[in-house]
Amino acid sequence: DGGITQSPKYLFRKEGQNVTLSCEQNLNHDAMYWYRQDPGQGLRLIYYSQIVNDFQKGDIAEGYSVSREKKESFPLTVTSAQKNPTAFYLCASSRISNQPQHFGDGTRLSIL
Amino acid sequence: GQQVMQIPQYQHVQEGEDFTTYCNSSTTLSNIQWYKQRPGGHPVFLIQLVKSGEVKKQKRLTFQFGEAKKNSSLHITATQTTDVGTYFCAGPKENAGNMLTFGGGTRLMVKP
Repeated sequence: DGGITQSPKYLFRKEGQNVTLSCEQNLNHDAMYWYRQDPGQGLRLIYYSQIVNDFQKGDIAEGYSVSREKKESFPLTVTSAQKNPTAFYLCASSRISNQPQHFGDGTRLSIL
Repeated sequence: GQQVMQIPQYQHVQEGEDFTTYCNSSTTLSNIQWYKQRPGGHPVFLIQLVKSGEVKKQKRLTFQFGEAKKNSSLHITATQTTDVGTYFCAGPKENAGNMLTFGGGTRLMVKP
């Protein structure tokens, strides 16, 4: 059954700590994305990867980092530089850029 | 910069009433996508419109793309409680067409 798996579902971060959110897809999609959603708000793009070993900053990349070493995986690290990390993080993929996106179930990140 | 706006932000309807959400872009779009996000869930792709003046139907949902390709609408006939959720439009980002810019969404609430 193809899809996108995000883990963990809930995550708590301590002050000064980096945390990594996992995103894995078995849809054989080239493009992957990370979005941040704040309560009652739309989706804002953090990072985008069109292909393995390549990624581009989105609108709100500061305080975040990504890697794309494998086609299936696109982990997001929320660094201590991100001072307001509490949000719902959504990972998505599409066959190629500009095609409909499939989303994972998301990770809710909070500060302890 | 490019803006994608949706109105209204919220809409309460009685079950059986019709509902329309409007999406307006400050720039011409090559295509527009619509997504639905149920409360607590993740966005799910509904449809993509490409041609000027295009109209597509999915059961009780009617999607339109404006002649100038700068606006779009989603109309739901005879709403049901299963229609509850937030509806987002999204278009290719200006000067970075591989990425999408999402509207702020319209949250639909249906009273049974």
